Parts: sequence; C-alpha cells; structure tokens
Amino acid sequence: GQQVMQIPQYQHVQEGEDFTTYCNSSTTLSNIQWYKQRPGGHPVFLIQLVKSGEVKKQKRLTFQFGEAKKNSSLHITATQTTDVGTYFCAGLDYKLSFGAGTTVTVRA
Amino acid sequence: EAQVTQNPRYLITVTGKKLTVTCSQNMNHEYMSWYRQDPGLGLRQIYYSMNVEVTDKGDVPEGYKVSRKEKRNFPLILESPSPNQTSLYFCASSPTGWDEKLFFGSGTQLSVL
Repeated sequence: GQQVMQIPQYQHVQEGEDFTTYCNSSTTLSNIQWYKQRPGGHPVFLIQLVKSGEVKKQKRLTFQFGEAKKNSSLHITATQTTDVGTYFCAGLDYKLSFGAGTTVTVRA
Repeated sequence: EAQVTQNPRYLITVTGKKLTVTCSQNMNHEYMSWYRQDPGLGLRQIYYSMNVEVTDKGDVPEGYKVSRKEKRNFPLILESPSPNQTSLYFCASSPTGWDEKLFFGSGTQLSVL
C-alpha cells in the first residue's frame, strides 16, 4: 500500500537559519499537499504541487515536487519564531496519505 | 465565516460509554473526513464521505461509525470506546474530494479511561 515517509521527525533550528523537511512516497503521486499545524492548533493548508519538477514559493517557504513525483521538500529560509509548528505533507495517489510530520522548534 | 466546527473540544470518558463527536461545515462541501492524530503517526484517516449517504472506511476504521444524512454534518460515533482510542481527532472537508485542499476543524481531544 501507499506509504508517505517524512523526515526528519524533529527539527531544532536557530532563529535565522535555514532548514528543509523531506517527504518520500513509495508510489508515484498525482499531487502533494503541505499543511502546517501550530502548537495546539489544527492543520492549515499551505500549498498543493501537481506537476513534475514543480517549484512554488511563499515568501520564505519554497516547495518542490520531484521529477518522478515520488518526493517533495519544503525549505524555509531565515527561520522565524512564527515558523514553529508541525509541517505535514500529504501525497495523493488512489488516496490521500499524510506523512508523520516534522515538528519544528526555534531557538531565539 | 467559512469553517468546520467540531464539538466538543475536549472529552474525557470511560471505557464502554457510547459517545458522539459532531462535525459541521458551512461551505457546502461534498467531501468530509475524520482523522486521528497520534504522536509519531501523523494523521490517519478513519472514515470519509464523498457525498450524502456515501461513506467509506479509511485506514483505521475499527471501533468507529459515521453517518452522512445531511451534507453539512458528519458525526463520528464510538459505540464502545476503549483506551486505545484516546487521541486527537480532526474533522476535515473539501469541495469535492481529497485532490483539493482540506479544511480542518479545531480538533477534539478524547481521553478514554
């Protein structure tokens, strides 16, 4: 069955530094979605990638979809305290499967 | 305001006592779904519904029931809760299906003693 693996599980970042979280699927995906969950909150949609090799940017966040459509990444530059939370990817083939998430903490 | 509303926000119950978690959306969405979130496991789908009177099992349906009698409501029923159902539950909806962005409710933290 489809599996979506997300690494790392935890990311401790110094404020101002960059980091990347990765999402890998065992199957080829139709699309991939990214969500952010603030501590104590609910997941909120960030973006959806559909095309092979697609790159999208949202301010300091850069999302990529791999050429084979089996992996994706989220890169955050110049991390801020507002970036704290858990980032989930969700890959769609015959169903939507969520990764386990990357929980980000920021040292001021 | 467009939203998905879940109730209650917190619930503590005992083993075997039937409970219902309500979910309602005001966006006229066709697709609704229930997830449970556990540490290290991410979001796992319990049940989903593509439209009124149409429901299907997700990845972890055992011990849960759902119904979709109206488009806006999608309650989650635990007929006989057990401690392993202690979890954070989220209801979500989208306009037509899981190929569109999901709107999540605020969550229900359930503890079964």
